Amino acid sequence: QVHLLQSGAEVKKPGASVKVSCQASGYTFIKYYVHWVRQAPGQGLEWMGMINPNGGSTNYAQKFQDRVTMTRDTSTSTVYMELSSLRPEDTAVFYCARISRSSSWFGFDFWGQGTLVTVSS
Amino acid sequence: DIQMTQSPSSLSASIGDRVTITCRATQNITRFLSWYQQKPGKAPNLLIYAASSVQSGVPSRISGSGSGTDFTLTISSLQPEDFATYYCQQTYSAPLTFGGGTEVEIK
Repeated sequence: QVHLLQSGAEVKKPGASVKVSCQASGYTFIKYYVHWVRQAPGQGLEWMGMINPNGGSTNYAQKFQDRVTMTRDTSTSTVYMELSSLRPEDTAVFYCARISRSSSWFGFDFWGQGTLVTVSS
Repeated sequence: DIQMTQSPSSLSASIGDRVTITCRATQNITRFLSWYQQKPGKAPNLLIYAASSVQSGVPSRISGSGSGTDFTLTISSLQPEDFATYYCQQTYSAPLTFGGGTEVEIK
């Protein structure tokens, strides 16, 4: 069974960085892109970017371009999302989700459980 | 960037009602449109992909339609478990933008 397991909640101070992990299981890791989505408290879903586990290429939303880094470790089927220069308005739940590399037609069919990142002094 | 506009932003409905949510894209996305349901404290769940294909396990009362720029999610007979927030998303081109969401509440 497909599962995306994210790391636990984090509390960070303004200006710090956070690195969230997303470990995939139950499928062939390199056959699906992994995307990251942010959801601020009481707000909608915001696409942050994606990584191709087969090779590591990335595509970031312009809004996060200067602060986000997505990486992967194929030996553990894990994807990482690091967000730097955190500010209080970055407080949110961050989700990873997969989509087929064969076509984006199929949508985000599996999601991680979400990781709450709280930014507060 | 492609902008996605959902309407309404919220609605109140009763059990058994037919509910329709619309989503409009600012440019032609053919059928690269997905719908998700999200309940409080949970990750979104894929309902519909390719505008009208129902994801495995999704009840038959939920359907999607549309192509190009205009899309619709329909729940034919609202059930208690359908009270949630619904989002559309275009997967035609990056950034893969979401609509603002539609909260379906109990009347």
